[in-house]
Amino acid sequence: GIQVEQSPPDLILQEGANSTLRCNFSDSVNNLQWFHQNPWGQLINLFYIPSGTKQNGRLSATTVATERYSLLYISSSQTTDSGVYFCAVLNTGTASKLTFGTGTRLQVTL
Amino acid sequence: NAGVMQNPRHLVRRRGQEARLRCSPMKGHSHVYWYRQLPEEGLKFMVYLQKENIIDESGMPKERFSAEFPKEGPSILRIQQVVRGDSAAYFCASSPSGANVLTFGAGSRLTVL
Repeated sequence: GIQVEQSPPDLILQEGANSTLRCNFSDSVNNLQWFHQNPWGQLINLFYIPSGTKQNGRLSATTVATERYSLLYISSSQTTDSGVYFCAVLNTGTASKLTFGTGTRLQVTL
Repeated sequence: NAGVMQNPRHLVRRRGQEARLRCSPMKGHSHVYWYRQLPEEGLKFMVYLQKENIIDESGMPKERFSAEFPKEGPSILRIQQVVRGDSAAYFCASSPSGANVLTFGAGSRLTVL
């Protein structure tokens, strides 16, 4: 099946810093989503971005489908950004199996 | 729109008991997915259902686990004779169609004593 790798696995930032999270995938996809799992375990959908660039406030994401990677940018980080960020992809031709990466654990400190 | 509703949020069972987890999809969504998250891991696909049909259950353990999505009412994930290794967070997601954006519920956290 498709492989999804995320980097870095762990990240510690001081409040106000910027960061880039990366998601590499091994096959063509027709769906890519970024999620934030907060410290209470809730999974929040950040972006649906199978290709192109999107922005939502301090967050933006870019997917280059032909090169099989996606980037999530967090600017001016806040302590509420802490948690685990997951990339998940739907392999072209499979209508059901959203495959998750192992996540990037982000801690934002004061 | 209340989103994807899961209950219970927390469930404690003793080994050998049954666990039933319920999921009501978003209004207008007819596709339901169940995922399991073991501690410190990512989410793993279990099963994909449409109303009254199981479309893909390739991620479900062959024994003790079953899922349904009846014509009326929520989707149910049922775990019989639970063991400690079943302790995990179980997430439900829904979508309006199979290849669309998935919206996840808050999860049900099962603890097996």
